[in-house]
Amino acid sequence: GENVEQHPSTLSVQEGDSAVIKCTYSDSASNYFPWYKQELGKRPQLIIDIRSNVGEKKDQRIAVTLNKTAKHFSLHITETQPEDSAVYFCAANGNQFYFGTGTSLTVIP
Amino acid sequence: GAVVSQHPSWVICKSGTSVKIECRSLDFQATTMFWYRQFPKQSLMLMATSNEGSKATYEQGVEKDKFLINHASLTLSTLTVTSAHPEDSSFYICSVSGLAGAGELFFGEGSRLTVL
Repeated sequence: GENVEQHPSTLSVQEGDSAVIKCTYSDSASNYFPWYKQELGKRPQLIIDIRSNVGEKKDQRIAVTLNKTAKHFSLHITETQPEDSAVYFCAANGNQFYFGTGTSLTVIP
Repeated sequence: GAVVSQHPSWVICKSGTSVKIECRSLDFQATTMFWYRQFPKQSLMLMATSNEGSKATYEQGVEKDKFLINHASLTLSTLTVTSAHPEDSSFYICSVSGLAGAGELFFGEGSRLTVL
């Protein structure tokens, strides 16, 4: 089956700085890579996703890059704000979803 | 995207009792729903895939008789935690997959179970 690894597990940045979270996957058949933001006690919310035929996707301050050859994808948040503080999960979807272990992001005002 | 509603949002029960959690797909018919379990500060772990009109598919290590899943209609799946024990205390989240080919997962609000 798929194995998704996510780093770092915790990340603290100053407000306005950028944050980068990286994930690797093992199954070359995976073709859909979403990123979820989860606030404490709430449901995960899809923030951005990328499919295997695309190398990069951007939505305002959030971007995702995918390297299929190396089997890794990354989330980039620029100009971070305190409300970006949350746990972020990557996922890879082939036959089913496999989630990364999560990154707790803290944006310090 | 799909709207998924889960109930109850939190429940406290005594050890040995059973608890039922409902997951409803409000705006489209879901032949498949997924049940996840999440411990504090951990990732989402897939427990089982709920299939409308047939038996659920359980992940390795998940007790079928402990976590009963019923998917009787295209809009409702239920998870029953039977003979609950404190170690069953967790955050349970259901999800549905989006339109065919889209691939997105849409999550319910989650249900926090505390077993005393």
